[in-house]
Amino acid sequence: DVKVTQSSRYLVKRTGEKVFLECVQDMDHENMFWYRQDPGLGLRLIYFSYDVKMKEKGDIPEGYSVSREKKERFSLILESASTNQTSMYLCASKAGTSTDTQYFGPGTRLTVL
Amino acid sequence: GEDVEQSLFLSVREGDSSVINCTYTDSSSTYLYWYKQEPGAGLQLLTYIFSNMDMKQDQRLTVLLNKKDKHLSLRIADTQTGDSAIYFCAETPGRDDKIIFGKGTRLHILP
Repeated sequence: DVKVTQSSRYLVKRTGEKVFLECVQDMDHENMFWYRQDPGLGLRLIYFSYDVKMKEKGDIPEGYSVSREKKERFSLILESASTNQTSMYLCASKAGTSTDTQYFGPGTRLTVL
Repeated sequence: GEDVEQSLFLSVREGDSSVINCTYTDSSSTYLYWYKQEPGAGLQLLTYIFSNMDMKQDQRLTVLLNKKDKHLSLRIADTQTGDSAIYFCAETPGRDDKIIFGKGTRLHILP
C-alpha cells in the first residue's frame, strides 16, 4: 500500500514564525502536491513538484515556498506565518503516469495565533 | 476554464440510497474520481471511472458518467452511518498530472 505521512497532525504557531510542514511518501512517486483545505472552499493547490528540485506554483502560492531535495520528501514552508494561513494542509503523491491517482496523507491542522 | 461543481450538503436516512452529483467542464478529462474524507483524516480514493465508460459498479457503489452533459454521479446503496463523510468529485484534464477537485459534498446520515 502507498503510504504518505505528514510530520504533524496538529501544529500551533505564532504570527511571524517560520513553519515547516514535511511530507514523505514511500512509493517512489515522481509527483508530489501540497493543498490547503478550508470550509466551503474545498482543496486548493499551493505548489506541486514533478521531480527532485523541481517545483511549480499552484493556484494559491503566495506566502508559501517548497523544497524537494529528495524524491520521497516534499516540504512546505511558511516563511512568516500569518493568521490567514490557519488551515488544514494536505500532502499528496502520484506516480508519473496520468493513469494513476493521487494518494493523500492524513493532513496537518495548522493554527496560527 | 476548469471547474468541478457539486452541492455542499446531502442528508439521507440510514438504509436509503445516497446520490451525490457532480458536473465538470473539461471534455478532455480522461479519468474522473470520487474521494472520501472522514472527519479528521486525509482523502481516500473511493472509486474512479475512465471517460470511455458509462457506468462502474463496486459493491454498494455505482458511478454513472454522462459525457454529453459532463455529469458524474455516485450512488451509495443502503447508506450506513459509516458512510458519513465529505465526498469529493475530481477530474484529470489530461494535459498534466494535476487533478481538479470539487468543493466536496458533506453526507449526513439521519437515523
